[in-house]
Amino acid sequence: DIQMTQSPSTLSASVGDRVMITCRASQIIDSWLAWYQQKPGKAPKLLISDASHLESGVPSRFRGSGSGAEFTLTISNLQPDDSATYYCQQYKSYLYTFGQGTKLEI
Amino acid sequence: EVQLVESGGGLVKPGGSLRLSCTASGLTFSNAYMRWVRQAPGKGLEWIGRIQRKSDGGTTDYAAPVKGRFTISRDDSKNTLYLQMNGLRFDDTAVYYCATGYGPLDTWGQGALVTVSS
Repeated sequence: DIQMTQSPSTLSASVGDRVMITCRASQIIDSWLAWYQQKPGKAPKLLISDASHLESGVPSRFRGSGSGAEFTLTISNLQPDDSATYYCQQYKSYLYTFGQGTKLEI
Repeated sequence: EVQLVESGGGLVKPGGSLRLSCTASGLTFSNAYMRWVRQAPGKGLEWIGRIQRKSDGGTTDYAAPVKGRFTISRDDSKNTLYLQMNGLRFDDTAVYYCATGYGPLDTWGQGALVTVSS
């Protein structure tokens, strides 16, 4: 299975800051990577697909980058509503795997 | 609007069985790639399996922790996905989500809580 490792596990930032979350795959996954946002008690929400494609309705403050085995989710101009846990997910293999999550506190 | 609604969660004893359903609306279900993902309390997301469209053979694949115990099926005439869970263990306690998408999972249900406890 392809292992996905996110860092950091937790992140504390202030309104208006820019933060970066990193996701590393245990093997090359090209750009087959998605990012999700999950708030407590809710289902995950797809933010970014194909490593850098912003889903419809997602603010442009969210940006995905990277390819191969290293990826980054950058959130600029942090807003209070961005408090959530963020997950990466690979779909290079049909055995999808998720990173362990990054909890962002604002 | 695409909607997925899970049902069938509950409390079950270790070794017991439970079947979850996921009813879809707002999409052509027979064309949908369906998956199950779970989340143990306070933990991250874990993909547990998928079922392909019938036009792609309707094949199923499972993650190692549930292989041989869980079975995914679909009834396209009812727009419904199923997860039959047998031989449940304490560590199967989780919220179970159905989701759809080919690769990225763009629509998720609200989740069904399964608690395995004696």
